[in-house]
Amino acid sequence: GAVVSQHPSRVICKSGTSVKIECRSLDFQATTMFWYRQFPKQSLMLMATSNEGSKATYEQGVEKDKFLINHASLTLSTLTVTSAHPEDSSFYICSARAASVGTQYFGPGTRLLVL
Amino acid sequence: DQQVKQNSPSLSVQEGRISILNCDYTNSMFDYFLWYKKYPAEGPTFLISISSIKDKNEDGRFTVFLNKSAKHLSLHIVPSQPGDSAVYFCAASPWGNTPLVFGKGTRLSVIA
Repeated sequence: GAVVSQHPSRVICKSGTSVKIECRSLDFQATTMFWYRQFPKQSLMLMATSNEGSKATYEQGVEKDKFLINHASLTLSTLTVTSAHPEDSSFYICSARAASVGTQYFGPGTRLLVL
Repeated sequence: DQQVKQNSPSLSVQEGRISILNCDYTNSMFDYFLWYKKYPAEGPTFLISISSIKDKNEDGRFTVFLNKSAKHLSLHIVPSQPGDSAVYFCAASPWGNTPLVFGKGTRLSVIA
């Protein structure tokens, strides 16, 4: 099956710093990538949808200036959590989908802990 | 308004028996459905999918059934194995470049 990687897998940072998470589709070109967030014992919450070469579409309640998304190529999308605070601590997961295909393939996730 | 519902938060099944996970949806525009399996601290893994033109899709031990009139789908795992213990998410979307809508998940425990 299609492989999606995320880096880093785990990050601990101080409050006020920015953290960048990378999402790569390794064996296919992803026209669209999605960023999710999951709190403990809860479902996946879609944060934003990003299409290569265009601005991301953010879900209601997600601050676009805080969660910067860049989808510069067909295999790479980045999520930058700016001025991170403890409440941003969560499990962030990306997924990728090739053009015209409904299946989304997920990365392994990044656990962010903001102290 | 939850468009994809998994009403059972948890399910326990004995090893070797059948596990049946259920999912209901409300949006009649959904025509592509998927099941994902998720272990703690990992991303979801795609298991099996079905499009609305079919009512059954089988892949090894996993079978997904779709009842469009009832807006209901189910995942059958036979025989269940301890390694199947995980959270299972049902997801749906209209065909095309739109995000999947996920249910809240069902935690399956397969007891040896």
